[in-house]
Amino acid sequence: AQSVTQPDIHITVSEGASLELRCNYSYGATPYLFWYVQSPGQGLQLLLKYFSGDTLVQGIKGFEAEFKRSQSSFNLRKPSVHWSDAAEYFCALANTGNQFYFGTGTSLTVIP
Amino acid sequence: DTGVSQNPRHKITKRGQNVTFRCDPISEHNRLYWYRQTLGQGPEFLTYFQNEAQLEKSRLLSDRFSAERPKGSFSTLEIQRTEQGDSAMYLCASSSRQGSGGYTFGSGTRLTVV
Repeated sequence: AQSVTQPDIHITVSEGASLELRCNYSYGATPYLFWYVQSPGQGLQLLLKYFSGDTLVQGIKGFEAEFKRSQSSFNLRKPSVHWSDAAEYFCALANTGNQFYFGTGTSLTVIP
Repeated sequence: DTGVSQNPRHKITKRGQNVTFRCDPISEHNRLYWYRQTLGQGPEFLTYFQNEAQLEKSRLLSDRFSAERPKGSFSTLEIQRTEQGDSAMYLCASSSRQGSGGYTFGSGTRLTVV
């Protein structure tokens, strides 16, 4: 069965500091992996996606993520966080079917 | 193209009432999905349409839930005899490709059952 785990429920970082949000997945084959961001009361916006090839993928808003098959991980990173990055972040996995499996999310707080 | 549109944004209803939500996908997307998101959780799959055909339904979609997508354009999600446990954000998404394409989500309809 496929699943996504986001171990950190909440993370607080200072503005300008670097950020890494963790995501681990369980799937029998190479999955399609995604990171979405959700602001309060809003829908989800796609930050980046991984299908195959280069394991370091670049996304919007200066985010990047690295796929590590050996660790079943797809961690999201940003070198310098801005106050506007405060939001909920969801890692998701898509199999060859038509369903996405989301993690429970990581809430990011940015302090001045 | 204004993206995926959902109406209403918020709905408050009394327990036992019926509610209906609407989703207008991106016009060239033939795939449409409904997800439910409760507080503190990630979205959970409810159902999927390819054009007008409803091809997958989650066991979360009880008999009180019904979804339609007439003519393969907009979709409606109806909940009959609402219960307090139905309170959640209902998200619609659309895509033009299976799996790997990623979804475009709407802003959701927040349902509160009192």
